[in-house]
Amino acid sequence: AQSVTQLDSQVPVFEEAPVELRCNYSSSVSVYLFWYVQYPNQGLQLLLKYLSGSTLVKGINGFEAEFNKSQTSFHLRKPSVHISDTAEYFCAVSDSSASKIIFGSGTRLSIRP
Amino acid sequence: DAGVIQSPRHEVTEMGQEVTLRCKPISGHDYLFWYRQTMMRGLELLIYFNNNVPIDDSGMPEDRFSAKMPNASFSTLKIQPSEPRDSAVYFCASSSTGRRVDQPQHFGDGTRLSIL
Repeated sequence: AQSVTQLDSQVPVFEEAPVELRCNYSSSVSVYLFWYVQYPNQGLQLLLKYLSGSTLVKGINGFEAEFNKSQTSFHLRKPSVHISDTAEYFCAVSDSSASKIIFGSGTRLSIRP
Repeated sequence: DAGVIQSPRHEVTEMGQEVTLRCKPISGHDYLFWYRQTMMRGLELLIYFNNNVPIDDSGMPEDRFSAKMPNASFSTLKIQPSEPRDSAVYFCASSSTGRRVDQPQHFGDGTRLSIL
């Protein structure tokens, strides 16, 4: 069975500062990894996904994530955040045979001016 | 290009009443998912369908919850009788191309349910 752990429930940062949101997963098989973003009063939207190939994945809105198999991590990063990045971010995992994905508990990113 | 459409956006009702949540997936999508989101439990998968057939309902909390998908363009999630602990935001999502998990799930804006 797979699981995903988001170590930080809340991350406050100042505008234009870099940010890293942490995600660790566990699985006994090859995995697909995702980051979703949820803006207030909206559903989740896909930010980026890792399926195979290059371990550095670039997504929308300037976000990127790096797949690290040895550390079973898939941390999300952005070099300079904006007020508009205020949202909740969810890491998710699925294996190659599943149709459903397992979501982490979410990390709330708050941006201070 | 319409996304996943959920109705109602908000529902407030008294405990014991029947609640029906509705979802219209994106046209052409063959997978449909129902999720529940709460502060305490986060985002939980309740049930999902493939080609209108329920595949996994292990996340449905109890018999008070039921879901149907009578056709490819409509699904309902029903709670009868409702209880205060059912208060949550319920999301519907859809995706395409069978079992390929690299196709992202598209989420609706959710139904915020409050049971008094």
